[in-house]
Amino acid sequence: DGGITQSPKYLFRKEGQNVTLSCEQNLNHDAMYWYRQDPGQGLRLIYYSQIVNDFQKGDIAEGYSVSREKKESFPLTVTSAQKNPTAFYLCASSIGMDGTQYFGPGTRLTVL
Amino acid sequence: KNEVEQSPQNLTAQEGEFITINCSYSVGISALHWLQQHPGGGIVSLFMLSSGKKKHGRLIATINIQEKHSSLHITASHPRDSAVYICCGSSNTGKLIFGQGTTLQVKP
Repeated sequence: DGGITQSPKYLFRKEGQNVTLSCEQNLNHDAMYWYRQDPGQGLRLIYYSQIVNDFQKGDIAEGYSVSREKKESFPLTVTSAQKNPTAFYLCASSIGMDGTQYFGPGTRLTVL
Repeated sequence: KNEVEQSPQNLTAQEGEFITINCSYSVGISALHWLQQHPGGGIVSLFMLSSGKKKHGRLIATINIQEKHSSLHITASHPRDSAVYICCGSSNTGKLIFGQGTTLQVKP
């Protein structure tokens, strides 16, 4: 079945540790995105990638890093520089930048 | 001020009621999306609109381009419709701008 997967569903880390969130899609989509969702706020764009080996900062990129070495994979690293990392992280993909975005199930990160 | 504003923020309805969620947006939005997020967190795209009206089952989405306003209607609501409904706009560059979401609870 085609889809977009994120793992793990729940993730706990100690303050000061880097952590990498996985996002994989087998939809053959060129574009992939990472969003952060906080209570009472709309989703905010962290990073996006229009094509393999290319990515751009979104609205809240500070404290995060990404890579796009393969079309199907777009991992997000939450670094220790991110001041408030506890949040729900959603990955999405689309055929192109103006295509419908399909969302993964999300990863809830809690930093202790 | 957010470029995409939704109302109400929270909505409680009795099963069977007709529900309306509203969304207003600013200039520079070329298309409007309605998303549904269930309690587990997964998001499903319901509609993408750039004009007129779309219907899928008990869900209807409308958009008025002149007034920069969209509505999502749910007819004969059911407890399984309980979710967060998110309005978001596509900017001319393709980036999505999200509203804060409307939390809907339908009671049996």
